[in-house]
Amino acid sequence: DTGVSQDPRHKITKRGQNVTFRCDPISEHNRLYWYRQTLGQGPEFLTYFQNEAQLEKSRLLSDRFSAERPKGSFSTLEIQRTEQGDSAMYLCASSEGYNQPQHFGDGTRLSIL
Amino acid sequence: AQTVTQSQPEMSVQEAETVTLSCTYDTSESDYYLFWYKQPPSRQMILVIRQEAYKQQNATENRFSVNFQKAAKSFSLKISDSQLGDAAMYFCAYNRNTGNQFYFGTGTSLTVIP
Repeated sequence: DTGVSQDPRHKITKRGQNVTFRCDPISEHNRLYWYRQTLGQGPEFLTYFQNEAQLEKSRLLSDRFSAERPKGSFSTLEIQRTEQGDSAMYLCASSEGYNQPQHFGDGTRLSIL
Repeated sequence: AQTVTQSQPEMSVQEAETVTLSCTYDTSESDYYLFWYKQPPSRQMILVIRQEAYKQQNATENRFSVNFQKAAKSFSLKISDSQLGDAAMYFCAYNRNTGNQFYFGTGTSLTVIP
């Protein structure tokens, strides 16, 4: 069990640029989640995949955000035309079933200059 | 909408002592799950303990136990014999039985004093 891995750990970019993050879940987990966590807050749900299907999206996920999980394995989260308010830690988690504990990655910290 | 409230932004405990972290939640559901997660500084969030709402018995995991009061919608975490390694942010989380979203509280920062 290698755990959930996220890449990169840190991303610094200028406002208006596009960024893409990658998440590799635990291999036998069919559920994958993306969260955003800002300083002093708990994780906020962004979106959820079961296998390759994106089944739920939060209203926080504006049209500048898109997520994919093309083969039901790794997932990518892309943010287009980044804004200052996008600065946050982006967490990925996976689980083997609903109501099962989620296993989190280390997160990708995004800083917008 | 489900909300999770942690009213203690910071707590401290002497090593080897016991501390209780508070969590309340708001829901109209009767069947759901509650979790406590621990997030050490710059490290991954890990599960501490899990409670199914339909179970009256409070969950226990070694030094960690919960006091689940369903009617009061309260879910507190008790850490016994506190250790230096327990220092972390602790998040309470809610997940309804048929839902995919986890709702997290704002966290409690626990300091363990040697």
